[in-house]
Amino acid sequence: AQTVTQSQPEMSVQEAETVTLSCTYDTSENNYYLFWYKQPPSRQMILVIRQEAYKQQNATENRFSVNFQKAAKSFSLKISDSQLGDTAMYFCAFMNPGGSQGNLIFGKGTKLSVKP
Amino acid sequence: DTGVSQDPRHKITKRGQNVTFRCDPISEHNRLYWYRQTLGQGPEFLTYFQNEAQLEKSRLLSDRFSAERPKGSFSTLEIQRTEQGDSAMYLCASSPPTSGRGNEQFFGPGTRLTVL
Repeated sequence: AQTVTQSQPEMSVQEAETVTLSCTYDTSENNYYLFWYKQPPSRQMILVIRQEAYKQQNATENRFSVNFQKAAKSFSLKISDSQLGDTAMYFCAFMNPGGSQGNLIFGKGTKLSVKP
Repeated sequence: DTGVSQDPRHKITKRGQNVTFRCDPISEHNRLYWYRQTLGQGPEFLTYFQNEAQLEKSRLLSDRFSAERPKGSFSTLEIQRTEQGDSAMYLCASSPPTSGRGNEQFFGPGTRLTVL
C-alpha cells in the first residue's frame, strides 16, 4: 500500500523569504502523480502544483516549485517570496492513475504560518 | 462560480441520529470522491463514483455509511446511527472524465459534522 509522510507538522517563515516543505512517499508503482494541495483556514482545498512521475523535470507554478527525487521517493515543495496569503495547511498527496479508484492518498499535512 | 458545492456546511447532531450530506460536483465531471478529514489529519478516501456507479469503497466506510449518485450528477452520503467518532469534515471532490492534467481533483468546502 502506498503511504505519504510529511515530517514537519508546523513551519513558519518570514514574509518574502523562502520555505521548503518536505514529503516522502512509499510505492512500488513506476507511474504515478504527486500533488501539493493548500487548505487555507476555513476554506476549501486547492491544488498548488502537480508532478508526473515519468517527467524528470521538476514542476513549477509561479512562486511554487518542487524538488522531485524519484529514486529517493521525495517530493518537497519550495515557496519563494512567501506571502501572508500562503498561510495554510499544505498536504502532499499521491495518486496511482492505474488504480481502480484514482483516489488521492494524503499525508498528515504541514501547517505553514507566514509572519509579517 | 461553478465549483464543487456541499450542503450543509455544518451539521450538529446527537448520537444515534441519521444525517445526510449532499455534494454537487462541477458539471460534466463524471468522477466523484468522498473523503473524511479528522482534526490534525489529511483527508482519507471513503468512496468513489464514476457516473452513477459506485466503483470503490474504503474499509473506513462501515455499514452505517451509504452513498449514492443516482443520476450521475449530485451525490449524497448518509450516516445512520451516528457515533461520536463520526465527527469530522466530510469532503467531496470531482474530476473530469479525461484529463491530461494528472486527474486533478477539485474539492468542495466540506461539511463539518459534530456528533454530541
